[in-house]
Amino acid sequence: QQQVRQSPQSLTVWEGETAILNCSYENSAFDYFPWYQQFPGEGPALLIAIRSVSDKKEDGGFTIFFNKREKNLSLHIKDSQPGDSATYFCAASEGGRALIFGTGTTVSVSP
Amino acid sequence: GPKVLQIPSHQIIDMGQMVTLNCDPVSNHLYFYWYKQILGQQMEFLVNFYNGKVMEKSKLFKDQFSVERPDGSYFTLKIQPTALEDSAVYFCASSLRTGGTGQLYFGEGSKLTVL
Repeated sequence: QQQVRQSPQSLTVWEGETAILNCSYENSAFDYFPWYQQFPGEGPALLIAIRSVSDKKEDGGFTIFFNKREKNLSLHIKDSQPGDSATYFCAASEGGRALIFGTGTTVSVSP
Repeated sequence: GPKVLQIPSHQIIDMGQMVTLNCDPVSNHLYFYWYKQILGQQMEFLVNFYNGKVMEKSKLFKDQFSVERPDGSYFTLKIQPTALEDSAVYFCASSLRTGGTGQLYFGEGSKLTVL
């Protein structure tokens, strides 16, 4: 059973638009939710993270919206640029245990 | 930023052979991980390692897999014997604090092809 799910699997937006990536999870005990960005041929890198006590986290053009009751969260990429084209992974962990990654969303930003 | 180095970047071996994947983690990090990725898709957790011991492992961490970090040198993943389904990119990661709360730094991956 997939513990962390992401949608859509892929997404294309125009430069300047806001890309919205969705993530949902099963385990209500998850309390830490980082998003990782991965470019082809590289390892993932931490982009932004939120803890379950918060409902929103902003960092530059990236914002996480978190809904604990619904067990879902979303990553908004504002003013998307071609350099934001990458695969984005939502991840979750419980009480300091290992991160469980979602299935990923591949974002393409067209100029 | 901090770098995790992985060696080799790509290895091709015959099914049944042994393979060792090496990871040079960030120097002051204490927690080490291996993840498996197939076709650029989901990163699947295999194992984490702290203070010389396996702390947590997933169902994917089969009996044929082992990890160690002898004398603070490379953190290694050994697969013996390999199977066709072991073909994947294996990512090593390290963190200063436990990965559930600390930032994981990933290497660029070791692509393993089992024929």
